[in-house]
Amino acid sequence: IAGITQAPTSQILAAGRRMTLRCTQDMRHNAMYWYRQDLGLGLRLIHYSNTAGTTGKGEVPDGYSVSRANTDDFPLTLASAVPSQTSVYFCASSRLAGGQETQYFGPGTRLLVL
Amino acid sequence: GQNIDQPTEMTATEGAIVQINCTYQTSGFNGLFWYQQHAGEAPTFLSYNVLDGLEEKGRFSSFLSRSKGYSYLLLKELQMKDSASYLCAPMDSNYQLIWGAGTKLIIKP
Repeated sequence: IAGITQAPTSQILAAGRRMTLRCTQDMRHNAMYWYRQDLGLGLRLIHYSNTAGTTGKGEVPDGYSVSRANTDDFPLTLASAVPSQTSVYFCASSRLAGGQETQYFGPGTRLLVL
Repeated sequence: GQNIDQPTEMTATEGAIVQINCTYQTSGFNGLFWYQQHAGEAPTFLSYNVLDGLEEKGRFSSFLSRSKGYSYLLLKELQMKDSASYLCAPMDSNYQLIWGAGTKLIIKP
């Protein structure tokens, strides 16, 4: 089934630990995105990649890093987790970056940092 | 700065019509998206407007006025499954989506 998968589904993490959230799409989309969603706030862009081999910073990139070694995978790493990074993380992809390209979302990862 | 304003919550009756408004201020504009998000799930695409006017798609329609920085989503013949949050997201000059906090729509029988 074509789409986007994310792992893990949920995670409880001790502050200071390193964590990588995984995202894989099989739609051969060029652009991929990482968002966080917090209660009462809109989705906020963390990092994005317009094509394999390139990445860019979004609205809230501090404390996060990404890589895009190939078209399908776009992992998000928290180098040293802090409680303010407790959130729901969504990965998304679109065929191309920009314009009227629809973004398709993965099921999300619910992260609790204690 | 960039700002999206939509009501936090709305209530409507099954079978009725509801209009969810969104006003926005963005740095540049490259169209506006509406997404639906059921509780605990991912957002899913509903509509895209880039020109002024009404786009109709089944029970859902979306309207855009670029000069007023205004859009609305119109849902007709409401069903219980329409209970969800509706997210307004204009695209700025950098082709990034700026997301509103969403409108939680509660449908009552």
